[in-house]
Amino acid sequence: NAGVTQTPKFQVLKTGQSMTLQCAQDMNHNSMYWYRQDPGMGLRLIYYSASEGTTDKGEVPNGYNVSRLNKREFSLRLESAAPSQTSVYFCASSEAPGTGASAGANVLTFGAGSRLTVL
Amino acid sequence: GIQVEQSPPDLILQEGANSTLRCNFSDSVNNLQWFHQNPWGQLINLFYIPSGTKQNGRLSATTVATERYSLLYISSSQTTDSGVYFCAVYTIKAAGNKLTFGGGTRVLVKP
Repeated sequence: NAGVTQTPKFQVLKTGQSMTLQCAQDMNHNSMYWYRQDPGMGLRLIYYSASEGTTDKGEVPNGYNVSRLNKREFSLRLESAAPSQTSVYFCASSEAPGTGASAGANVLTFGAGSRLTVL
Repeated sequence: GIQVEQSPPDLILQEGANSTLRCNFSDSVNNLQWFHQNPWGQLINLFYIPSGTKQNGRLSATTVATERYSLLYISSSQTTDSGVYFCAVYTIKAAGNKLTFGGGTRVLVKP
């Protein structure tokens, strides 16, 4: 199984350009997440989707939009990129949204990351 | 929201040494996970441990939920243990649905 697949792995944008990061999981997970990681920091949640058809804001949603296209796919869009959005972006998924169910259902599986530079 | 603090921020070990990483959190949690981010950036789940003790090879973890901390033990460290270790917690009290990550402990194991 591929697990969680993100594309592209690297992208350079100019300020004001738009782009979409794609994420797909093949584990039949219900919940999907987008995080960003800045140098020397932990991961901060941008948006999440607890289940197909729902999306909610995380800690740092400004400047981003998401689409839960189906159960497998969760995309992150930057409509007008800014240098402050230079970061490494991680997509993740889990069977359950955070609590309840079996222990293994709450474990996050991450993609390999997408490094975005905005000039 | 819930605060997650990890210590120490940096750790340099000689191969074969043992170490303990700590994660403190500011509220009761329903879900706590430890992750290892390798030097290539890949994040791997090590433990799902909202309470109690678990072991996986040379790694073990203990969470004392009532005292709001978790410990990750690395025994007989190897160079492949290098990277950043994150703990992440989830509380049902928080608005929204998210794991909150600590700032990480950067570990370098020297041969």
